[in-house]
Amino acid sequence: SQKIEQNSEALNIQEGKTATLTCNYTNYSPAYLQWYRQDPGRGPVFLLLIRENEKEKRKERLKVTFDTTLKQSLFHITASQPADSATYLCALSSGGGADGLTFGKGTHLIIQP
Amino acid sequence: DSGVTQTPKHLITATGQRVTLRCSPRSGDLSVYWYQQSLDQGLQFLIQYYNGEERAKGNILERFSAQQFPDLHSELNLSSLELGDSALYFCASSAPLAGDQETQYFGPGTRLLVL
Repeated sequence: SQKIEQNSEALNIQEGKTATLTCNYTNYSPAYLQWYRQDPGRGPVFLLLIRENEKEKRKERLKVTFDTTLKQSLFHITASQPADSATYLCALSSGGGADGLTFGKGTHLIIQP
Repeated sequence: DSGVTQTPKHLITATGQRVTLRCSPRSGDLSVYWYQQSLDQGLQFLIQYYNGEERAKGNILERFSAQQFPDLHSELNLSSLELGDSALYFCASSAPLAGDQETQYFGPGTRLLVL
């Protein structure tokens, strides 16, 4: 069955450093991979989408890479700030808008001042 | 604010009961998705509707059902509730245009507690 693995342990990063989160998947050939941010008790918020034929995508301090051979995505937050503290979810989809997203369980990121 | 609204925000009920959760998608969005989030299972896709028609089904129990109305709002009906149905239920919507439809915009959720 499809499986998405994200760091289950909380990730503690010092303010100003780069945070790197990992998403690995098995038994899946996604056309799209997305990253969402979720704060406690709130709905996920879309951050970045990368397609299977793209290697890297950037948006302001965020960068995502997608390696379909390794079946892995890396999500980077540069110059991290305490406000970046949240749970980050990796999500996969087959494309065509005709299915729901398959989410990992998320990585809890803590940026310490 | 994503533009997706959900009511009620909180719901407390008893085992065996039935509840209805309501969602209004972003203006212009035709797709509505329902997700369940529990501590042990994470965020799980339940069902998708597109312009009134069921389009995809995920891990939705037979006790659960949904529909999308002509004004595009959607309702998720949960019946014969069990303790294990206690969770956060999210609704999401996506744009109708190809290329934009992969990104989903989530509502604030309904927290259901079954006692």
